[in-house]
This record gives sequence, C-alpha cells and structure tokens, in this order.
Amino acid sequence: QMHLQESGPGLVKPSETLSLSCTVSGGPITSSGYYWGWIRQSPGKGLEWIGSMYYSGSTYYNPSLKSRVTISVDRSKNQFSLKLSSVTAADTALFYCARHAWSTYCSSTGCHPTGFFDPWGQGTLVTVSS
Amino acid sequence: QSVLTQPPSVSAAPGQKVTISCSGSSSNIANNYVSWYQQLPRTAPKLLIYENNKRPSGIPDRFSGSKSGASATLGITGLQTGDEADYYCGTWDNSLSVVVFGGGTKLTVL
Repeated sequence: QMHLQESGPGLVKPSETLSLSCTVSGGPITSSGYYWGWIRQSPGKGLEWIGSMYYSGSTYYNPSLKSRVTISVDRSKNQFSLKLSSVTAADTALFYCARHAWSTYCSSTGCHPTGFFDPWGQGTLVTVSS
Repeated sequence: QSVLTQPPSVSAAPGQKVTISCSGSSSNIANNYVSWYQQLPRTAPKLLIYENNKRPSGIPDRFSGSKSGASATLGITGLQTGDEADYYCGTWDNSLSVVVFGGGTKLTVL
C-alpha cells in the first residue's frame, strides 16, 4: 500500500522560501501515468492545488502561484519536493502531498488533462511568521 | 470564491440519505471528470469517487457519484455518525488550466 509523508520546517519567516519534501513508500515514484502533487489548505478553508510533476520533469503549476513555485523529483530517494518563494502570512497553511493520477479527457471541446489525488500524505502545517 | 460551488453544509439523520451538489461550468465539470474527497476532522482528504462515479477499492457502495451537464452530485446512503466530515469535489478547469476544488460541504449526521 502506498504511503506518502511530508517533512520540512513548520515555521518560515516572511519573504523567505518554504521548502517541503514528500517521501513515497510502497511504490516507485517513476510509475507510469502518475504525477506527484502538492495541495494546500489554509486554516479553516478549502483546498488549493499548487502543482504537480511527472518523474521525467513535466510540470503543471497553479497559474496563481506559478511565479513562486518549483516542484522537483528525486528518483534516487523516491521523493519529490516543493519550494515556494517570497512567502507571506497568506501562505500559512496545511500542505499535503499526493499522488496525482493523470490522464486525458476528450470531449467535443477538445482534449484536456484530468485526474484525481490518491493517496494523500497526512499533511504538515507551515506557519509564516517572523 | 471557488470555481466550483458546493453548499456550505448539509445534515440528515442516521440511516437516511443525503446528496451534496457541486456546480461548475462548461470549462470544468461539463467537459471533464469529477472526483470527490472526504476529509474527516483533523485528517487528510481521502478519495471517495473518481471519474464521476467510480469508487476506489475499500470505499463502500453507500457512496455514489453522478454528473449531469455542469453539475455533479455525491450521494451517501445509510448515514452513519462516522460520515460526519467535510466533502470536496474537484476537477480540471480547461480555461484556467488548473485543478479546481469546491469550497467544501460540512456534513452533520444529527
């Protein structure tokens, strides 16, 4: 059974870079058809997708965060990582990593990415404060 | 303001049935698959439904999903107190090129 576990500092200062890692166990990060994603949840709020990456390097980022986000994969450690730069208090959130099952949905309007997240890590709280 | 609209809360008695709606548009739900997630208190979200109406292994058939046009619905029958949670719908928005989630619906089993 696949398991994901987030790790990283729980406190980051404003204007600095938030860095988190997600260790994948129970299967290789190089599995075909699966991206690896990050989702965050601000206190008391809903879910916000940050971005997802395929082991070979293909990435999709949330346009609202794209200028500050980098997701990378370390195949040797079966890990993937998130870096979010220039953080502010608004970036305080529970950060989840998840396997992102990725495929294509085709309709009369064309073909587009589709997918779902399963499983999820337990989440790690990151607070941005001086 | 979420791209996908869910009711903030729903409630029903144990043993009853409840439905949770997720309303979108032609750029998301109408032309893509919908997934549903259950977030029990103080835990990570868990996949309940994918590709509109498919259940992952281990998810009981009390949970069902459907889609019609630009709206999707999660149904839960035989409600149990353990079903009290927040439920989120999610899909890809073809215009925004982003994964979008609904704002979440809090289910209370009275």
